Amino acid sequence: QKEVEQDPGPLSVPEGAIVSLNCTYSNSAFQYFMWYRQYSRKGPELLMYTYSSGNKEDGRFTAQVDKSSKYISLFIRDSQPSDSATYLCAMKGAQKLVFGQGTRLTINP
Amino acid sequence: DAGVIQSPRHEVTEMGQEVTLRCKPISGHDYLFWYRQTMMRGLELLIYFNNNVPIDDSGMPEDRFSAKMPNASFSTLKIQPSEPRDSAVYFCASRPQGSGSPLHFGNGTRLTVT
Repeated sequence: QKEVEQDPGPLSVPEGAIVSLNCTYSNSAFQYFMWYRQYSRKGPELLMYTYSSGNKEDGRFTAQVDKSSKYISLFIRDSQPSDSATYLCAMKGAQKLVFGQGTRLTINP
Repeated sequence: DAGVIQSPRHEVTEMGQEVTLRCKPISGHDYLFWYRQTMMRGLELLIYFNNNVPIDDSGMPEDRFSAKMPNASFSTLKIQPSEPRDSAVYFCASRPQGSGSPLHFGNGTRLTVT
């Protein structure tokens, strides 16, 4: 079993829809939780960063961490075609950062 | 801030040839990482450095791969000899001190070995 599980998709939704992306993990030592966005032929860029449990909001993006369920989510409200990208969850305890497989998201105009 | 700079952006080479990938981390960042990304395996950590010293190279696939960091502003990843299964996108990333500091990635080198 992988330490971090993420559905690779692809996921296709209409413009304006609410998007929910999720990851589950098995390592209870993880404390730092991140979401990276990767556009085609680019490197991953940090989108959201959360320490421990709780919610964090930044504009149209909300990151949620539920440590009791070992489950993290990223919500995108009022999705735009420019949000089309691959979204990777990543998490870390005291050791190295572990990435999910990435979910490929397409927002259709 | 110019970000993490990688070169070349694309590399096409024949099996058996030596390949050298280059990376300039963000100034002031103490950690440097080399990752490989494929459709099948996602992002895999190959090796990372702290203050120019290799800390963990357990992800390096085999002895054909080597990495160096001669100074704080430059690192190389070398594959010799290259094989078709090495075809992937190779990313360099850096971050400052602090266990929870996020990584900053370059735009990668797309390697094709024929």
